[in-house]
Amino acid sequence: SQQGEEDPQALSIQEGENATMNCSYKTSINNLQWYRQNSGRGLVHLILIRSNEREKHSGRLRVTLDTSKKSSSLLITASRAADTASYFCATESGGSNYKLTFGKGTLLTVNP
Amino acid sequence: DTGVSQDPRHKITKRGQNVTFRCDPISEHNRLYWYRQTLGQGPEFLTYFQNEAQLEKSRLLSDRFSAERPKGSFSTLEIQRTEQGDSAMYLCASSLVPRYNEQFFGPGTRLTVL
Repeated sequence: SQQGEEDPQALSIQEGENATMNCSYKTSINNLQWYRQNSGRGLVHLILIRSNEREKHSGRLRVTLDTSKKSSSLLITASRAADTASYFCATESGGSNYKLTFGKGTLLTVNP
Repeated sequence: DTGVSQDPRHKITKRGQNVTFRCDPISEHNRLYWYRQTLGQGPEFLTYFQNEAQLEKSRLLSDRFSAERPKGSFSTLEIQRTEQGDSAMYLCASSLVPRYNEQFFGPGTRLTVL
């Protein structure tokens, strides 16, 4: 079953613009992670935010987490054509199994 | 390249045949996970290993599926009597817990059952 729901399902922007993707989840979490997947390939870990954190930055990425609303957002600033990919949020919940529950993803297209 | 490799990258088989996939994780990682991803969906958890012990299996993993991780190194996922509904991308990931929570994914094996 899918825990997270990304919004929007698809996003098309011009190079240089910012892209914002949202994720909502249902149960309490230990942490929330964002992954990128280029067409037909494996996933690449982007950033992890723990349940006691509210905001985290990594390069051009900014992630926020609102545990009261059970939601997170991923902001990519100054987007590039190479950012074109699917972006998934994944939540880690429960005890020590560390397994991830993924959403359906947002397909981001950055037009040159 | 995340350091996790999977073989084969693509597999086409006929319904009813058995298939086996292999995953080689990052060598020092103690956790190994298998996920399945269908078109337009996110990966869904199938099973995971802590070293050589298989600790959890999803309800998605029917009796036709079996996974092993002998000696806590590489892992194999076997599907017996394949069905068309088994067509998907099978992803392997590894991690080093509890030190790091991030999972490192392989490129996946795309299975097509005709």
